[in-house]
Amino acid sequence: AQSVSQHNHHVILSEAASLELGCNYSYGGTVNLFWYVQYPGQHLQLLLKYFSGDPLVKGIKGFEAEFIKSKFSFNLRKPSVQWSDTAEYFCAVNARGGATNKLIFGTGTLLAVQP
Amino acid sequence: NAGVTQTPKFRILKIGQSMTLQCTQDMNHNYMYWYRQDPGMGLKLIYYSVGAGITDKGEVPNGYNVSRSTTEDFPLRLELAAPSQTSVYFCASSSSGTSTDTQYFGPGTRLTVL
Repeated sequence: AQSVSQHNHHVILSEAASLELGCNYSYGGTVNLFWYVQYPGQHLQLLLKYFSGDPLVKGIKGFEAEFIKSKFSFNLRKPSVQWSDTAEYFCAVNARGGATNKLIFGTGTLLAVQP
Repeated sequence: NAGVTQTPKFRILKIGQSMTLQCTQDMNHNYMYWYRQDPGMGLKLIYYSVGAGITDKGEVPNGYNVSRSTTEDFPLRLELAAPSQTSVYFCASSSSGTSTDTQYFGPGTRLTVL
């Protein structure tokens, strides 16, 4: 069965610090990978996604993620965080080519950026 | 476009009561989904629909029912509310079931069952 692990449950950073949030998945086949973000009081929105090709994908608001197949990882990075990046971040995976788009989510990482 | 809208935003139920969580999307998406998010847990799929008149169970369907009479609406019904159903409920939609397709989420409904 597919599963997604996000080991950092809470992360506190100061503005301008660099960010890396871990995401590891477990699945025997080929997957698509997603990072969603939920800002306080708002709905989940897509940050970025990876299907194939260049394993380094860039998303909105300066975020990027790198797919490392050998490590089953898809870590999210940002070189310099801002206070407005305070949010909860979810990694998700689904089976590529699946009959339906069923996402499996990680438990989320709550990021607090201090001004 | 409003995207995906959900009502109500908050609700408190007593054990045994019933209610319907509403979800509407104006993007003409065929696929719609219901998830629940428990504290410290990821989102779990409850039910999904591939089009009007077609629904199927997700990972955690027990205690819930759904219907899809129109493309726009996908209500989630709780018949006999239990404390274990205290959660935040998210509705989502996507234009197709293709695994690469983006799901668009609503703002959520926070439900407490006492």
